Formats: sequence, structure tokens, C-alpha cells
Amino acid sequence: EPEVTQTPSHQVTQMGQEVILRCVPISNHLYFYWYRQILGQKVEFLVSFYNNEISEKSEIFDDQFSVERPDGSNFTLKIRSTKLEDSAMYFCASSEYFGTSYEQYFGPGTRLTVT
Amino acid sequence: GENVEQHPSTLSVQEGDSAVIKCTYSDSASNYFPWYKQELGKRPQLIIDIRSNVGEKKDQRIAVTLNKTAKHFSLHITETQPEDSAVYFCAASSAVSGGSYIPTFGRGTSLIVHP
Repeated sequence: EPEVTQTPSHQVTQMGQEVILRCVPISNHLYFYWYRQILGQKVEFLVSFYNNEISEKSEIFDDQFSVERPDGSNFTLKIRSTKLEDSAMYFCASSEYFGTSYEQYFGPGTRLTVT
Repeated sequence: GENVEQHPSTLSVQEGDSAVIKCTYSDSASNYFPWYKQELGKRPQLIIDIRSNVGEKKDQRIAVTLNKTAKHFSLHITETQPEDSAVYFCAASSAVSGGSYIPTFGRGTSLIVHP
């Protein structure tokens, strides 16, 4: 069964540094998402992406964040000037066009630790 | 925006017992309600979902009920097994521009099934 993949599995960075988290969505999916989950808390939506542009974003997704689909397979989340409170698990997800299925398939996550 | 409340935060049952997790939501426009299971350190995985035109849905030992008038929905697991132990998240969402669904998650229920 196809799966969403993410790299790296764990990223440690110093406060103020930039990080790029990478995701490869399922190949025939058209919607892509980023979520974060602070340890022990609920999953929070960051941004959705469709047709090469952001379709929705939350209040969390401020100017510090950006997303990109640089080629036909990768979907990236860039965090500029990381802060301690950015430490969390970041999940990428993808879904088919909603007319066929609403299910979002999550990747295994990247644990970001900002020191 | 949508607000999802989930109870209980922790649920401990004996193997073979039933488990019920309840959620309420605030936005009457929400029409899609997925439930995710997250095992420790792993990705959230959809286990069942229900759309607003249906009051109940069942898949083997798992069932979900929806009361749109009261704005609450519940997950029922019968004949629990130790491998059901995980954190369960409910979510509520409505279609957004572009056709995707952006779920608002509850805070999660840690289900512990004792052998």
C-alpha cells in the first residue's frame, strides 16, 4: 500500500536557524497538508496546498513558515528563524480529490527539536 | 472557528469490555467527522469516519454515531483487545474552498486495554 514518507525522522536545530522538512505524498493525491503536534497535545492544522498554491492556512502558519512543491513528488515545509516553541512533531498528509475520498493519509512525522 | 471537545482524556478498560469516547463540536457547518488512532510514536491513522447525512456507521468492532442536532458524535469499540491501546482523536470539519477538508482535532483519549 502506498504511504506518505517524510525526511528526516528527527531534526535538531539551534534557535534562529532555518529548517526544511521534506515530504513525499502519495503519487496520485492532489491535496497536501502540514500539521504539527506538540508533545502530548492534539494535532493542529498548519496549511493545505492544492494546485500549486496554498488553499488554507491556520493562525499558526505565519510569515515564519512557507511551503513549496519544488518538483512533481516533494512537498516541503520551511521554518525560518526557528524558535523554542517550534519544537514539535510535524506531520505531512495527503488526500485524493475529495470527490472520491476524504481520507487524509499521514506520514510518519519529523520530530523537530529546537535548542 | 470550529472547537472540538473530547472526553474522557484517559480510558482504562479490561480486555473484552466496550469503550466509548465522546466528542462535541461547535460549528453546525461541520459535515465530516473522522476518527484517528495514534499508537505511541507513530502516525495518526484513520479508523472510521462518518458524514453528516448518516447517523451511524459500523466497521467490525468499531462504530461511530452522530447526533447533528446536539452536535456530538461518539466512537464505540466493542470486545476491546490490548492492541486497541492507543490515543484516539476525533475531528470535525467542513468543506473549504478548493474542496478539501481541514479537520479540527479533539485533544485525544488515551485508551488502555488491560489483558
